Amino acid sequence: GEDVEQSLFLSVREGDSSVINCTYTDSSSTYLYWYKQEPGAGLQLLTYIFSNMDMKQDQRLTVLLNKKDKHLSLRIADTQTGDSAIYFCAEADSWGKLQFGAGTQVVVTP
Amino acid sequence: EAEVAQSPRYKITEKSQAVAFWCDPISGHATLYWYRQILGQGPELLVQFQDESVVDDSQLPKDRFSAERLKGVDSTLKIQPAELGDSAMYLCASSPYGARENTEAFFGQGTRLTVV
Repeated sequence: GEDVEQSLFLSVREGDSSVINCTYTDSSSTYLYWYKQEPGAGLQLLTYIFSNMDMKQDQRLTVLLNKKDKHLSLRIADTQTGDSAIYFCAEADSWGKLQFGAGTQVVVTP
Repeated sequence: EAEVAQSPRYKITEKSQAVAFWCDPISGHATLYWYRQILGQGPELLVQFQDESVVDDSQLPKDRFSAERLKGVDSTLKIQPAELGDSAMYLCASSPYGARENTEAFFGQGTRLTVV
């Protein structure tokens, strides 16, 4: 089974905030990542957070990290139709191997 | 903007045939990864190179898959013979950092393999 778990689907109205949640298992992970994948395309790195941080903000994106609960979230403010995609949470082990979740499909409705 | 280049974008092959994918990482990136993504799932690492050396190939089905990065630049992933279950997206990624550092991996567009 997956070591990184995500909810599979999120529907959000245009202009609202989206929150995508992820739990991971490797407490030694030093970096955690969020990737975006549009249909038929590769993965686009959105943002990452270092494990000694609990929050990182980058324009419309806010990443929150709760190391105690091994919980990571990605908040997208003012969600747009172009944000419709699959979002993957990933943790890196000490050798840089990325372990991905199954992805959360985000559908933005007008 | 520098990108990871992969070819072909799409490949249809008959089972038991050989197939090869090529990846050219971003210039200067030391680490190169091959991931396999089955439809509806997240990518899974097949092999990781640091320069020309294999760092991790624990999930590579070595009876049929092989990967090389001879000069530490571009890389080829081969499957022989292909099986129906190999149908997937094969993603190449590269990172400017070595292992044990920030794995800020940049992905190519992938090769969609269909085995019939």
